[in-house]
Parts: sequence; C-alpha cells; structure tokens
Amino acid sequence: AQKITQTQPGMFVQEKEAVTLDCTYDTSDPSYGLFWYKQPSSGEMIFLIYQGSYDQQNATEGRYSLNFQKARKSANLVISASQLGDSAMYFCAMREFNSGSRLTFGEGTQLTVNP
Amino acid sequence: DADVTQTPRNRITKTGKRIMLECSQTKGHDRMYWYRQDPGLGLRLIYYSFDVKDINKGEISDGYSVSRQAQAKFSLSLESAIPNQTALYFCATSDLQGASSYNEQFFGPGTRLTVL
Repeated sequence: AQKITQTQPGMFVQEKEAVTLDCTYDTSDPSYGLFWYKQPSSGEMIFLIYQGSYDQQNATEGRYSLNFQKARKSANLVISASQLGDSAMYFCAMREFNSGSRLTFGEGTQLTVNP
Repeated sequence: DADVTQTPRNRITKTGKRIMLECSQTKGHDRMYWYRQDPGLGLRLIYYSFDVKDINKGEISDGYSVSRQAQAKFSLSLESAIPNQTALYFCATSDLQGASSYNEQFFGPGTRLTVL
C-alpha cells in the first residue's frame, strides 16, 4: 500500500494567493513525523516544515503552514501569499518511529505560480 | 561551504561500466542515506547507514552496493550500470533520532547519472 499519496501532479496559483498541496499518509505506527520538502528546478532538496504525530498544534514556518488532520491521516501544506519563487516540485515525506529515521516520499506536486 | 557534498555532479557512462558516487558531510551526523529520484516516482531509498559498522538495504537496493568509509563518507557503487539506473541520486544525512525531535534529513545537491 502506498504510504504517502500526493494526488495533485500539478497545481497552478496566482501570485499573492494562497495554495494548498495535499498529502495523505498511511501508517499503523503511533509515532511518526511528516515533512515537506521543496525542489526547485535546480534540483536541490530544501526542507520546509515538520509535523510530529503528537504535536498538538499545526506547524507553521513563515508563509508555510501544515494543516494536520490526524484522524483523516492528512498533512496538507498551505503556502500563503505565493511568490514566483515558490514555483517548484513539492514532496511530502513520512518517517515512522519504528523504521528508524528513514523517509518515505510521495510522488510530488509540481506547483506553478503565475504572475 | 556546503555541508553535504556529492561527486560527481553529473556523469554519463555506458552499460556495464562500474560507477562510484561519493558523498561527504561536515555536519557530524551519524546517519547517512542514498536515494534515487525518477520522474513521477519521488525519492526512493537505496541504502542507509546508522554508523560506520551499520549498513542497511532500502527499498530498491538491487544492483547497488555501498561503503561507509568513515563517519563523514558514504559511497554508492553501481557494479555494472544499466540504462534503467539513469536517475538523479541524492545523498542525505541526519542526526540521531530522538523520540520527540524531528531530525530533518539534509540533502546533498544530487548527482545526475545517465547510463547509455
């Protein structure tokens, strides 16, 4: 079974608007963490935000926030006030405590910010 | 200077050749990983190492081998390269996982490998 699912291969958003990138996950481990990474066209992987399974509040980092709905097993990334530089591939990933620190990645969402 | 470096950054080789991709880190992390990225498939784990004496297979280890020469160095080898190993390869590092800490993985810049 797919552990991380990103159902949006591509998304478009107008500059200055907010956009939500979807991520659902599947695990039976009660302790896990969810990560979002950004990959611009240059190829590097940039860590954006993290949510732990026991965290009571949704994570936020600047313009990035994570809409964590544990019962639905979803961890959507919200980017507010989109900028042209936000155009990139975005990956959701999960680390299960019982699997050590290995990450399982989704297939990614290509975000394009239009001027 | 980059904390996680990979050499070479780009490589074109022929089927059947032996290839080694190298990764070095200055972060002092114990854990190191090799991933490959194919279009539409995200990143998949090839091998990982929790310390110099601990090497583990990931989900797609067939056709690959690794060597952890030191805490700071982790090499990936393709003993006999084949065209479907054409991909973008990433090395990553992380610190020890604490029960409540997230210990993000830090990625190198990637090596683009083409096997003809």
